[in-house]
Amino acid sequence: GAVVSQHPSWVICKSGTSVKIECRSLDFQATTMFWYRQFPKQSLMLMATSNEGSKATYEQGVEKDKFLINHASLTLSTLTVTSAHPEDSSFYICSARPWRGAMNTEAFFGQGTRLTVV
Amino acid sequence: QQQVKQSPQSLIVQKGGISIINCAYENTAFDYFPWYQQFPGKGPALLIAIRPDVSEKKEGRFTISFNKSAKQFSLHIMDSQPGDSATYFCAASPNHSGNTPLVFGKGTRLSVIA
Repeated sequence: GAVVSQHPSWVICKSGTSVKIECRSLDFQATTMFWYRQFPKQSLMLMATSNEGSKATYEQGVEKDKFLINHASLTLSTLTVTSAHPEDSSFYICSARPWRGAMNTEAFFGQGTRLTVV
Repeated sequence: QQQVKQSPQSLIVQKGGISIINCAYENTAFDYFPWYQQFPGKGPALLIAIRPDVSEKKEGRFTISFNKSAKQFSLHIMDSQPGDSATYFCAASPNHSGNTPLVFGKGTRLSVIA
């Protein structure tokens, strides 16, 4: 199946600093990627939809100035957590769906990034 | 986003037994129903998926049953093994393009005991 690679797999940062997470589709082009956040023992919460060459679409309650998304190419989307605070500590996961005409296709997920803000 | 309701929240099954996880949805525009398996510290991995034009799909020990009129679908894991212990998420997607995010259920933590 298609591969989505996410980096880093874990990161520890000091409060107030920024952290960038990369999501790459390795063997297909993704005009759209999705960013999720997952708290322990909970489901995936969609944060935003990343659109290549245009602004991301954020879900209600997600601060766009805090979670900066850039989708500069058809294979790379980045999520930057700015001025991170301990409450931003979470598991962040990206996803992409290969485009195959009008059919919905399976969504592939990255390995996830465990962010710990100290 | 329309909700996908998943049950049970947790499940303990004896090795060799059948694990059954159920999901229900409300949005009749949903036309793609995947199940994902997630191990701790990993991203979800696609297990099996179904579209509403069939009532059942089987892949190895995993079977999806789909009831369009009831707007319900379920995952059956036959001959459950300790290695199946993970969190399982059902999901659904509306009948738009591939640029549509999945709507996830809240997950079921499965423990298969020997």
